[in-house]
Amino acid sequence: DQQVKQNSPSLSVQEGRISILNCDYTNSMFDYFLWYKKYPAEGPTFLISISSIKDKNEDGRFTVFLNKSAKHLSLHIVPSQPGDSAVYFCAASATGTASKLTFGTGTRLQVTL
Amino acid sequence: DTAVSQTPKYLVTQMGNDKSIKCEQNLGHDTMYWYKQDSKKFLKIMFSYNNKELIINETVPNRFSPKSPDKAHLNLHINSLELGDSAVYFCASSQEGTGRLSGNTIYFGEGSWLTVV
Repeated sequence: DQQVKQNSPSLSVQEGRISILNCDYTNSMFDYFLWYKKYPAEGPTFLISISSIKDKNEDGRFTVFLNKSAKHLSLHIVPSQPGDSAVYFCAASATGTASKLTFGTGTRLQVTL
Repeated sequence: DTAVSQTPKYLVTQMGNDKSIKCEQNLGHDTMYWYKQDSKKFLKIMFSYNNKELIINETVPNRFSPKSPDKAHLNLHINSLELGDSAVYFCASSQEGTGRLSGNTIYFGEGSWLTVV
């Protein structure tokens, strides 16, 4: 049972434009959400997170939006840069599960010149 | 300096063999993890240790045995390797086992590519 879903396996965006990566979840107990970025042959690196008490968190060019009623979150990257090309994983956890992260399958973002 | 380091990075071995993957973190974290990314790209937690104590064991076969000699190390030993064990294994660490709302995050190693032939 896939509790965190990233339905778009890949996304291509022009440099300077906005990249929007989407993530849906089914477990209503999830209350903390994270985005990780992964380059080939490297481990995932933390990008940005959001608690369920918020609906938006911003860090520089990266903004995460959370819509709890729709069980949906999205990552916006503005403006997109070629160095943003990577696989982006959405992850979620629930209170009391000792930091057990449930990951989506990732979306490969390609930022073109 | 590498924060979470794991060795070997690549490992090709025959079915039935026993192998180990080592992991060390120099972040001073008290919680360490093993995650597995399979051929379908699912990244799933296998084990979690907090101060050398097992706190998460996600229905992993008994052939997989984690060992934490101290809180900076979490090694993964796999007995009687099977073809289905081929995957990328990621070690990770975090400051607190449940420190999510404070913004603590999990830091991953670069992964160990295991291929069983």
